[in-house]
Amino acid sequence: AQSVTQPDIHITVSEGASLELRCNYSYGATPYLFWYVQSPGQGLQLLLKYFSGDTLVQGIKGFEAEFKRSQSSFNLRKPSVHWSDAAEYFCAVGAGRGGADGLTFGKGTHLIIQP
Amino acid sequence: DSGVTQTPKHLITATGQRVTLRCSPRSGDLSVYWYQQSLDQGLQFLIQYYNGEERAKGNILERFSAQQFPDLHSELNLSSLELGDSALYFCASSSPLGRGADTQYFGPGTRLTVL
Repeated sequence: AQSVTQPDIHITVSEGASLELRCNYSYGATPYLFWYVQSPGQGLQLLLKYFSGDTLVQGIKGFEAEFKRSQSSFNLRKPSVHWSDAAEYFCAVGAGRGGADGLTFGKGTHLIIQP
Repeated sequence: DSGVTQTPKHLITATGQRVTLRCSPRSGDLSVYWYQQSLDQGLQFLIQYYNGEERAKGNILERFSAQQFPDLHSELNLSSLELGDSALYFCASSSPLGRGADTQYFGPGTRLTVL
């Protein structure tokens, strides 16, 4: 069975600083990987996804993620964070064809932005 | 706005009761997924329907059931409710299978409180 680990429960970053959120996955085949963001009281919004091809994936809101098969990682990055980026971030791996079955989520990383 | 709608937004009920949560997928999406988000278990996949048929099952309790109707809306039925069922329940929908990796679009969720 697949699993996702997000080692950091909380991360605090100063506004304007760079950000990296870690994600490690366990999956027997080629993984389908996703990053979602959840703002307070909101649903989950897809930031980006990896299926195949270029291992550096660009997403919305200036986020990017890099798939590293050798490290079983899919870390999320942003060069300069804004106060509006404060939210909960979830990494997920998809079973079946491209996540066409249910997604397995990590526990999430809570991002706090310091002024 | 993802295009996925869920009703009601909030639900408060008592132990032993039964409730029904409703989800309308994005226009054109045939797959509907249900997830439960709780503080202790995180985000867990419950069940998926595709065009009216159950397609995948996750950690869904026997007290819970779901169905997808001909108009593609879905309902999640929770019975014999326990305090531990208090959670945020999300519905997601995705585009028809066969287009490679599908993206799941999440609704705003229904917050269930069992007293």
